[in-house]
Amino acid sequence: QKEVEQNSGPLSVPEGAIASLNCTYSDRGSQSFFWYRQYSGKSPELIMFIYSNGDKEDGRFTAQLNKASQYVSLLIRDSQPSDSATYLCAVTGANSKLTFGKGITLSVRP
Amino acid sequence: NAGVTQTPKFRILKIGQSMTLQCTQDMNHNYMYWYRQDPGMGLKLIYYSVGAGITDKGEVPNGYNVSRSTTEDFPLRLELAAPSQTSVYFCASNKQAWDTEAFFGQGTRLTVV
Repeated sequence: QKEVEQNSGPLSVPEGAIASLNCTYSDRGSQSFFWYRQYSGKSPELIMFIYSNGDKEDGRFTAQLNKASQYVSLLIRDSQPSDSATYLCAVTGANSKLTFGKGITLSVRP
Repeated sequence: NAGVTQTPKFRILKIGQSMTLQCTQDMNHNYMYWYRQDPGMGLKLIYYSVGAGITDKGEVPNGYNVSRSTTEDFPLRLELAAPSQTSVYFCASNKQAWDTEAFFGQGTRLTVV
């Protein structure tokens, strides 16, 4: 089992819709969970992080963490064409490794 | 504040050649990482370091070596380049692994022919 898995994409949503991105991880000792956005040809940039079970909201973004199910998700409300990018889930384990999933490409249709 | 600086940005190597990818950060970060990203794929961890003098293997370390003699620098060495090492390489750093944002360099696009 891969350490960090993201559901296969690409994902296409119409402008204004909610985009739901999912991620599972295998290491129960994982401590921190991150969502990075990467535009084509660019470096990843952090958009959300979460450490505790539950929801964390920041503007149009909501991160959800369920440690019992080893599941973390990202919701993007009122999706905009500028949200079109690859979204990478990342997890920090007890050994301090920062491990990324393979990413999911989101396309927001005008 | 320069952040994380990688050099070079682009490089073409012939099979069997060697090279060093440079990575420097000026944020006094303890943790540094090297990743590779193949087309349509996420970031695969090559090596990481939790401080000067300490390095550890990631998911795909074969064919690479690293050193961390100072807090600022974390070079990645490719020995005997192979076509399978054609990729985009990213260096990243953060203050602490578990609760802070990792900052990335601009990437190095390497082609081995």
